[in-house]
Amino acid sequence: DTEVTQTPKHLVMGMTNKKSLKCEQHMGHRAMYWYKQKAKKPPELMFVYSYEKLSINESVPSRFSPECPNSSLLNLHLHALQPEDSALYLCASSQETVAGGPGETQYFGPGTRLLVL
Amino acid sequence: AQKITQTQPGMFVQEKEAVTLDCTYDTSDQSYGLFWYKQPSSGEMIFLIYQGSYDEQNATEGRYSLNFQKARKSANLVISASQLGDSAMYFCAMREGPGGGADGLTFGKGTHLIIQP
Repeated sequence: DTEVTQTPKHLVMGMTNKKSLKCEQHMGHRAMYWYKQKAKKPPELMFVYSYEKLSINESVPSRFSPECPNSSLLNLHLHALQPEDSALYLCASSQETVAGGPGETQYFGPGTRLLVL
Repeated sequence: AQKITQTQPGMFVQEKEAVTLDCTYDTSDQSYGLFWYKQPSSGEMIFLIYQGSYDEQNATEGRYSLNFQKARKSANLVISASQLGDSAMYFCAMREGPGGGADGLTFGKGTHLIIQP
């Protein structure tokens, strides 16, 4: 089973709203990721959590706040977003392995399509 | 400089023909991983195939194979006997660094493949 779930599928929010995106996996993976994908562009890495600790933050604005409550869950809290933040937000997970190999494969969820008005 | 280069923005292929999608990469790391993902219009990123930098044999997964030419830094995806359902955007991606499953992926710009009946 390589399923990663994300909720909601679609989200429309105003610039003053606070909302959260949720991601869940039950594969025992210890690394989880947030990517942002603008229309007709490739995904761009935002955050990496390894063993529930933030290990990479790709200079993302503070209006995006990640949280990893436990090894299966990853949240992305949104506050005071701008219209240019409208995008597909993808969550992924992978096994935590030492020397690479197929275990480093990242499995993605279906994404949340976010529209900021 | 781009880390991942996909030179074919779009391709039209006749059903049942074989398809080769090009990907070249740029890294000075000895350890890295290469991945191909398929993204249909629904948005989900579907993992297709993985090749580790130390793997001597080309990876294969069903109708997908990866033509890995390390000296040329090339990792082309070959789809045999294409089907209408193969129509999608295809991304080549790379994980650099020591591995361990907690490094983000860098994606190419993608190739939009359309299979014609």
